[in-house]
Parts: sequence; C-alpha cells; structure tokens
Amino acid sequence: KAGVTQTPRYLIKTRGQQVTLSCSPISGHRSVSWYQQTPGQGLQFLFEYFSETQRNKGNFPGRFSGRQFSNSRSEMNVSTLELGDSALYLCASSPRGQAYEQYFGPGTRLTVT
Amino acid sequence: KQEVTQIPAALSVPEGENLVLNCSFTDSAIYNLQWFRQDPGKGLTSLLLIQSSQREQTSGRLNASLDKSSGRSTLYIAASQPGDSATYLCAVREGGGADGLTFGKGTHLIIQP
Repeated sequence: KAGVTQTPRYLIKTRGQQVTLSCSPISGHRSVSWYQQTPGQGLQFLFEYFSETQRNKGNFPGRFSGRQFSNSRSEMNVSTLELGDSALYLCASSPRGQAYEQYFGPGTRLTVT
Repeated sequence: KQEVTQIPAALSVPEGENLVLNCSFTDSAIYNLQWFRQDPGKGLTSLLLIQSSQREQTSGRLNASLDKSSGRSTLYIAASQPGDSATYLCAVREGGGADGLTFGKGTHLIIQP
C-alpha cells in the first residue's frame, strides 16, 4: 500500500506571496492532519480534516487554511507569506481520525525569501 | 497547556548497547502517546502507539512504557545498531482523541559503529 505523498517536496517563495501544498493520504484513510516543523518551535499542529470537514485547528493565524476533497486528498494554503513561515510542512493520515495511529508523509520544505 | 519534554536532547552510544529515551508530559489526561523516529530531512515514521489504558507496547527491539499518573513514558531500544541513529520524538494526544498531537523536541540519537 502506498504511503502518504506530499507535493511539491521543495518550494521557494517570496514574502507576500501565497502557496498551496498538497497531501494524498494512504488509500482508505479519511483523516488528514497538517503540522509545521521549525528548528525553534519543533512540531506544531495546524489542523485536521475528516470527511471534508475541519475538525480541529491549532493556534495559527487565519493566513493558514486548508481543505479536503471527496477523495480525502487535502490541500493547505498559506497567504501573505512571512519569513517565519519557512518550515517543513508535514501531513499525516489515519484511518478514522486523530485517535488512531498517524502516518506521516515526507513533508514539503518551504523557504520564504 | 500540555507540554512535552524529552531527555536527553542528544545521546551518543556505542553499537550493541541497550538504551532508554525519556518523555514527560505535564497533563496526565492524555488519550494516547505515540513514539516516532525522524531521519534527517525526512518525515516521521511511527514506532509505537500506546493508548491511555495500556502500560506498554513492544515492536521488535523496541519497548515503550506509559505511566500516565506520573506523566512519563520511556522508549527502550535493545541491542542498538547504527541504523537506529535518528531523532526520536514523543507525542501525546488529548481531548478525548480529537486534538492534534503535542510533540516533544526530540532526542537526537547517534549509534557509533
């Protein structure tokens, strides 16, 4: 069974631009969560989607948003990029929700210049 | 607010040794706890998931224990190998399973050949 895939793997953007990251969960998994990883803050929870509905959200500004499609694929959008948004963005999927084991993708490395 | 601490932050041991990684959390009302490993520049690989009602889980050379009342978990690695070199992350889930994972900063482990 294929693992969680994320595209693109690397991205360079300029301050003020917006970016969209994509995540395809493991086949059959309906829950997708997003995390931001930085050297200073470590791994922080962004939000979780289950059956196309956002179920939970971490403590991030409204510039960070996401959505989930009927095939469980998810996208994350960051608008008006700031230098501090440079991070590894990780997506995780699980069969039925957050309470179950999370399987992570390889991440998208975003650099904001 | 839940805080997860991992000690030590870094560890270097010769191949073949048994070792213990520690994780502590401030709020004992967790739903479950998950151990991951992360290789440089990569995503997270799930190692073990312990539900709040369980005391330990085992997978091969790995054994994770959970003492919810004292807010502690340990990851025991038997007969360490150079391939075990990675960063090990501990994460807890609260909110009846609905919240996102709260991660520790990790233990960077180096196994010397």
